Amino acid sequence: NAGVTQTPKFQVLKTGQSMTLQCAQDMNHEYMSWYRQDPGMGLRLIHYSVGAGITDQGEVPNGYNVSRSTTEDFPLRLLSAAPSQTSVYFCASGTSNQPQHFGDGTRLSIL
Amino acid sequence: KQEVTQIPAALSVPEGENLVLNCSFTDSAIYNLQWFRQDPGKGLTSLLLIQSSQREQTSGRLNASLDKSSGRSTLYIAASQPGDSATYLCAVTPGSARQLTFGSGTQLTVLP
Repeated sequence: NAGVTQTPKFQVLKTGQSMTLQCAQDMNHEYMSWYRQDPGMGLRLIHYSVGAGITDQGEVPNGYNVSRSTTEDFPLRLLSAAPSQTSVYFCASGTSNQPQHFGDGTRLSIL
Repeated sequence: KQEVTQIPAALSVPEGENLVLNCSFTDSAIYNLQWFRQDPGKGLTSLLLIQSSQREQTSGRLNASLDKSSGRSTLYIAASQPGDSATYLCAVTPGSARQLTFGSGTQLTVLP
C-alpha cells in the first residue's frame, strides 16, 4: 500500500517556466489537497478537492491550477513559475473522521 | 479567520522526561484536531486525531487532549526518547470541511 505518492521529489525551474507536480493516492480517498510549507509561515492550503470533478481554492491559490479527473490523481500546475513559489509542496488525502495522509513532499526552487 | 498557535516554538529536554506541547485555536467551531510529527526533510505523519466530541485520544506514550470551549489542545509525551526529536504540528479542521489550518509547530529535541 503506497499511500500518497508525490513526484518529483526535487525540481529546479527558471522564472516563467511551467510544470506539474504529481500526486497519486491508492486509498480511495475522496478528499485531496495541496499545501505549501514555508519557513515562518507554516503550511498553507493552496487548492483542494472533495471528489473527482470538484475542486476549490484554499488560502493561497494564485499562480496555481488543479484538476481532478480521477479519484486517485490530483496534479498541481504552476502556470508561470515565480521565485515566490519556491517552497516545499505537500499533497494530502483523507476521508471524513479519519486522519489525513501526507506525501513526502516536492522541494521546488525557482531561479 | 481561524488561527492556530503553538507554544513553545522550540523545546529541549533530557531523555526520560515527560513533556507537554501546547496548541491553541481562535475559533472553537472545529470538526476535529490532529497532531502530526514531521522529521527534517520529510512529510507529515499523523499521530492522533481528536473529534470535536471527544476529550482525549491515546496512542502508546502519546496522549492528546482537547478543550473546545477554551480553544486548547495539549500533546503529552511520556518518558521521552531521542527518537521523539522532531517538529510537532497541530492542525484543526473547521466545521464539516476537511481543510486543515496548521500551527507553526514545536521543534522538540530530546537529549540522550
